[in-house]
Amino acid sequence: VLTQSPGTLSLSPGERATLSCRASQSVRNGYLAWYQQKPGQAPRLLIYGASSRATGIPDRFSASGSGTDFTLTISRLEPEDFAVYYCQQYDNSPLTSFGQGTRLEIK
Amino acid sequence: QVQLQQSGPGLVKPSQTLSLTCAISGDSVSSNNAWNWIRQSPSRGLEWLGRTYYRSKWYNDYAVSVKSRITINADTSKNQFSLQLNSVTPEDTAVYYCVRMSLYSNTRHFDPWGQGTLVTVSS
Repeated sequence: VLTQSPGTLSLSPGERATLSCRASQSVRNGYLAWYQQKPGQAPRLLIYGASSRATGIPDRFSASGSGTDFTLTISRLEPEDFAVYYCQQYDNSPLTSFGQGTRLEIK
Repeated sequence: QVQLQQSGPGLVKPSQTLSLTCAISGDSVSSNNAWNWIRQSPSRGLEWLGRTYYRSKWYNDYAVSVKSRITINADTSKNQFSLQLNSVTPEDTAVYYCVRMSLYSNTRHFDPWGQGTLVTVSS
């Protein structure tokens, strides 16, 4: 089970966002990813392998962590960053699963 | 650039079969990738349903929650894969996505995603 916190994060553009994803069992680093989802759109891959940015993802997005604790950081929020963020793990039962999401909203 | 294009009905009656197809462009359904179906609803969040992949023969894995009702097939002649979910109930109402997962690297993530299909189960 992946637990994301906080459920909702209210920040202003230009601020730093820190999102957490905690796993109930250890996750191999290569098997943790982060996604961004905007209303009416499919999730978009941001981070794979726990810390590698996907193609085209700005460098204000970074991620770290290992074992059961992972973090997504957005260094300086842009207006287009306000969305829902999900973490995803692979290999623990069930085969793959997602966290419940963190909603990043404009303060 | 790999693209996934979904098709299928948006309304299914209870007890009937939900059927969706995902056409692949820019990749092959027989490549070293897994082809997945994921759904999203307010009550269940993002829920992985199952996958199909080719490693000398075709393999399938399904989520326990739908294992008795689901079939995922690949069609190499059309370069697409499909989802069938039998005996649907209103709890199967969700946005359904087809998604690729690479199996050739030491990471496991979903990319790209299809555009999503809202399927409503209602009489």
